[in-house]
Amino acid sequence: GQNIDQPTEMTATEGAIVQINCTYQTSGFNGLFWYQQHAGEAPTFLSYNVLDGLEEKGRFSSFLSRSKGYSYLLLKELQMKDSASYLCAVMDSNYQLIWGAGTKLIIKP
Amino acid sequence: GAVVSQHPSWVICKSGTSVKIECRSLDFQATTMFWYRQFPKQSLMLMATSNEGSKATYEQGVEKDKFLINHASLTLSTLTVTSAHPEDSSFYICSARGLSGGVTAETQYFGPGTRLLVL
Repeated sequence: GQNIDQPTEMTATEGAIVQINCTYQTSGFNGLFWYQQHAGEAPTFLSYNVLDGLEEKGRFSSFLSRSKGYSYLLLKELQMKDSASYLCAVMDSNYQLIWGAGTKLIIKP
Repeated sequence: GAVVSQHPSWVICKSGTSVKIECRSLDFQATTMFWYRQFPKQSLMLMATSNEGSKATYEQGVEKDKFLINHASLTLSTLTVTSAHPEDSSFYICSARGLSGGVTAETQYFGPGTRLLVL
């Protein structure tokens, strides 16, 4: 079967750095996505990785290792507004998105 | 780029009525649109995938006669919840994937969602 694993909840301090991990087992791979979803709102696109390595976008970075079936989202200089759920999703060989259950990130002052 | 709109943003209706939700890609052509449903504190659940000009593909357990999807153009898809009942109350979110407008072809861009409350 296809499976995406990410922690259910994480807590971090404002101004700090947090890494949210995602491991996956899918039938084929056509890219991995990270989305941010604030409570009561729709997801917003953060990043897309299809090749191994680190992609940096401002305070957010996303890393991919296809051989390990592993990705992480790194958030630096955390702000209170970063409190949200972070969804990992993998596109399989049929170009279907397989979604993780999301990681709820709680930022404390 | 990659803006997706949804209308209405929220709707309250009586049980037994039908509700239509529109999803539009504003600055790119959406060859594929997706409809999701999300209950409070739960994960996104894909309901159906629609390609422009063809019939939607529904996920297992989703009644195609109850949730009518039309994707008549490259910028518009509609979801009609027919004979809505209180258990259909949920947050309905569409997303779009396209091939132009500078967007990544594989990326799904989400609309802001529609909250449906059936009384």
